[in-house]
Amino acid sequence: KAGVTQTPRYLIKTRGQQVTLSCSPISGHRSVSWYQQTPGQGLQFLFEYFSETQRNKGNFPGRFSGRQFSNSRSEMNVSTLELGDSALYLCASSDEMDYGYTFGSGTRLTVV
Amino acid sequence: QKEVEQNSGPLSVPEGAIASLNCTYSDRVSQSFFWYRQYSGKSPELIMSIYSNGDKEDGRFTAQLNKASQYVSLLIRDSQPSDSATYLCALRGSQAGTALIFGKGTTLSVSS
Repeated sequence: KAGVTQTPRYLIKTRGQQVTLSCSPISGHRSVSWYQQTPGQGLQFLFEYFSETQRNKGNFPGRFSGRQFSNSRSEMNVSTLELGDSALYLCASSDEMDYGYTFGSGTRLTVV
Repeated sequence: QKEVEQNSGPLSVPEGAIASLNCTYSDRVSQSFFWYRQYSGKSPELIMSIYSNGDKEDGRFTAQLNKASQYVSLLIRDSQPSDSATYLCALRGSQAGTALIFGKGTTLSVSS
């Protein structure tokens, strides 16, 4: 069974640009969550999607957005990039409410 | 807002010893608890889940949950150098769509 796939693995962007990250969950998983990981703040929750609906959203500015498609694949978008957006962005999928998530390998975003 | 507290470490133990990792949380309604292991440069990997008070054993790992005292711990018996990693405690509430919230992690170093 294929795991969670995130693309691209690495990105370098310039301040002010926007970026789109992609996540394909494990087959059959309908819940997809996104996290930002930085050395200082740890893993911070961005948002969760279930069956194309955003069920929960973390405390991030509106520049961070996401969506989920009918095949459960998800994208997140960051507009007007800032230096502080440099981080590892992790996607995780789950098939049941009570089970822990399975994480993808992440996208390392560097904003210069 | 749920908060999850972990001692950042590093926690250093010799090979073969028992490593004890602790986590406290603030939200009494949290229902599901997880331990993740994250190697440097890799994404988090689920190693244990626990939902009821008491102990849950899986190989060399034992998770302990005490909801009254609001803490969850992870014991690693016969620690190996390959156990050297950051261990993340995570929890979520009982309602559908509640986010999985992570602590900042404890770094474990096992010396041979």
